[in-house]
Amino acid sequence: QSALTQPASVSGSPGQSITISCTGTSSDIGAYNYVSWYQHHPGKVPKLMIYMVSNRPSGVSNRFSGSKSGNTASLTISGLQAEDEADYYCSSYTGSSTVVFGGGTKLTVL
Amino acid sequence: QVHLQQSGPGLVKPSQTLSLTCVISGDSVSSNTFAWNWIRQSPSRGLEWLGRTYYRSKWYNEYALSLKSRITINPDTSKNQFSLQLNSVTPEDTAVYYCARDRGAGNDYWGQGTLVTVSS
Repeated sequence: QSALTQPASVSGSPGQSITISCTGTSSDIGAYNYVSWYQHHPGKVPKLMIYMVSNRPSGVSNRFSGSKSGNTASLTISGLQAEDEADYYCSSYTGSSTVVFGGGTKLTVL
Repeated sequence: QVHLQQSGPGLVKPSQTLSLTCVISGDSVSSNTFAWNWIRQSPSRGLEWLGRTYYRSKWYNEYALSLKSRITINPDTSKNQFSLQLNSVTPEDTAVYYCARDRGAGNDYWGQGTLVTVSS
C-alpha cells in the first residue's frame, strides 16, 4: 500500500496556528474514520495526539485538533509553542486490513 | 497502567532473522478490545506499520503487504507477550522497532524502542 502524502515541512511563529494535511485515497482515509496523528520528537517514543479523526487522548492539549474532508485529513495546532517542534505523522486503516502511515512532516517553530 | 517492555538483539547479520519480543503488563494480549502492533522508524522511511495480532473470539494476524512473505507476529498467552520475526533481513531493515497497543485507530502505549542494525 502507498504511504499517505504529507508536506515535508511546515513552520510557524509562536502563538500562530498551523495545519498539516494528510492525503490518501478512497480506500483508506476516504473510507474509514480511523485516522490518527502522532508527534515524534527524535530519540523519543511517538505520542498519540489524535485518534479516530478528531478525538484527543486524555492529557493531550486542546490546542491540537483533527478533521477530515474526503480523502484528506488535517491536524491543526493553535497557539504554537516551542515544545510543539517535532515530526508529525498521520495514519489510517486501509481496505486491505492494514495500516498505512504518512511520510511525516517536520514542524519548525520559528 | 499499561507498560510494554521490548527485548531482542540490536545487531543482526544480513540474510538472518530479526526476532523481538514485547512483554505486556497492565493489559492482556488476549484482550477483545485492543490490537498489538509492530511499527518501525527509520530516517529514510519515517514510521512504517509492520503488522499486528489481536483476539476477537479467535486470533487474527495482519501484515503489511510489502513484508507479508518475510514477517510473522505471534501472541504468547502464557507469558502475556507477542513477538516479531522478520526473515531474510537486509541493511534496509535497519530501523528502530516499536511494539504498541492499538486502541482502534490509534496506538496509545508504546514500547521503549529497539534499534536493530543489519550488518555483517
